[in-house]
Amino acid sequence: SSELTQDPAVSVALGQTVRITCQGDSLRTFYASWYQQKPGQAPVLVIYGRNSRPSGIPDRFSGSNSRNTASLTITGAQPEDEADYYCNSRDSSGTHLYVFGTGTKVTVL
Amino acid sequence: QLQLQESGPGLVKPSETLALTCTVSGGSISSGTNYWGWIRQPPGKGLEWIGSIYYSGSTYYNPSLKSRVTMSVDTSRNQFSLKLSSVTAADTAVFYCARLQDYAPFYFDYWGQGTLVIVSS
Repeated sequence: SSELTQDPAVSVALGQTVRITCQGDSLRTFYASWYQQKPGQAPVLVIYGRNSRPSGIPDRFSGSNSRNTASLTITGAQPEDEADYYCNSRDSSGTHLYVFGTGTKVTVL
Repeated sequence: QLQLQESGPGLVKPSETLALTCTVSGGSISSGTNYWGWIRQPPGKGLEWIGSIYYSGSTYYNPSLKSRVTMSVDTSRNQFSLKLSSVTAADTAVFYCARLQDYAPFYFDYWGQGTLVIVSS
């Protein structure tokens, strides 16, 4: 089965830009979706597809893709963006199986 | 607004079967092309997809859990359920139910608040 690898933690100064990456073979075929999770809360979808945001997600969140890597960028990070972020995609086998990334803790300084 | 709510025992004994139900409100579980999924998160760890089910009963399970997982759907109650057998302490986790768009682009867009299940004697 597939694996999606993320850096465990990144930090960003308030108002600056941070990029979170997700690597895996399945990303050569499928777009990743991205989820924000704050302590004690359920994950929230922030990016899906090529670079789509659900209603209510600020436009400072954006996504991009290259080869086997998906990226989530926060442009102008805010204190409320401090959270864990997870990528997800279909398994590289192409069947209806899914895999989550290992997660990245984002700290806003 | 679609809402999902998990329910079930918060404490399960080792070797027994964990059983949870997800109740969907604000929309029909049998409308559209969405699947419905279960995801778990052990304390302090990452998310793990457990499996997905369509309202017709079609299921897909994580290969690492497949031998112990059974999912079912009750369209009359707008609910879907998870059973995980032969649990151990390693199955202690927060369990989430979520709606899955199982066609491109793939994503989980609505989530329940999660329910903590502790496996302990």
